[in-house]
Amino acid sequence: QSVLTQPPSASGTPGQRVTISCSGSSSNIGSNTVNWYQQLPGTAPKLLMYSDNKRPSGVPDRFSGSKSGTSASLAITGLQSEDEADYYCAAWDDSLNGPVFGGGTKLTVL
Amino acid sequence: QVQLMQSGAEVKKPGASVKVSCKASGYTFTTYVIYWVRQAPGQRLEWMGRINGGNGDTTYSQNFQGRITITRDTSATTAYMDLSSLKSEDTAVYYCARDLFTRGSMGYWGQGTLVTVSS
Repeated sequence: QSVLTQPPSASGTPGQRVTISCSGSSSNIGSNTVNWYQQLPGTAPKLLMYSDNKRPSGVPDRFSGSKSGTSASLAITGLQSEDEADYYCAAWDDSLNGPVFGGGTKLTVL
Repeated sequence: QVQLMQSGAEVKKPGASVKVSCKASGYTFTTYVIYWVRQAPGQRLEWMGRINGGNGDTTYSQNFQGRITITRDTSATTAYMDLSSLKSEDTAVYYCARDLFTRGSMGYWGQGTLVTVSS
């Protein structure tokens, strides 16, 4: 099954900039746009970024996304304690004919 | 506002089936696809399948082929996910979701339904 690869954890101190990477293949990230989700404990995922680098209404501009080839990344600047959450990348997969998700990155604000 | 309201938690025995509902409101139900995604404890999100709210066309992940059936009732603006031959590994939170703008950009989610499979 096609899956996306993320680091299991990331951390930073308040005010810092952190990035989370996401690696895929030609059938997903290489040919479709990337979405990012933020999930707080015990809650449903929240769409944080879509179409590689677009923010839904209400998402602070501290969050940004980028993509190159078969990899993507999410950057968070001015890290805040409320950013502590799990972050998932996702992309449509042409082989699966559906979305695939990364394994999630647990962000800790030290 | 768009809302997806799911049915309550279920406890099932191995081999049984479970049916989870997802009541949509705040938008034209027939205009959008509804996805079903699950998350086992400590695991990644996993796409299970989707249904076109308008024509009822379904697409299922190969991982669930033969065990999953997704249906919808347009008059009730509700989608349903039926999973059969349950195993302990099917213990998970099951979510329904809807696109925000682009295909697969799930901007609206139900609250999740915990399905526990245990003998």
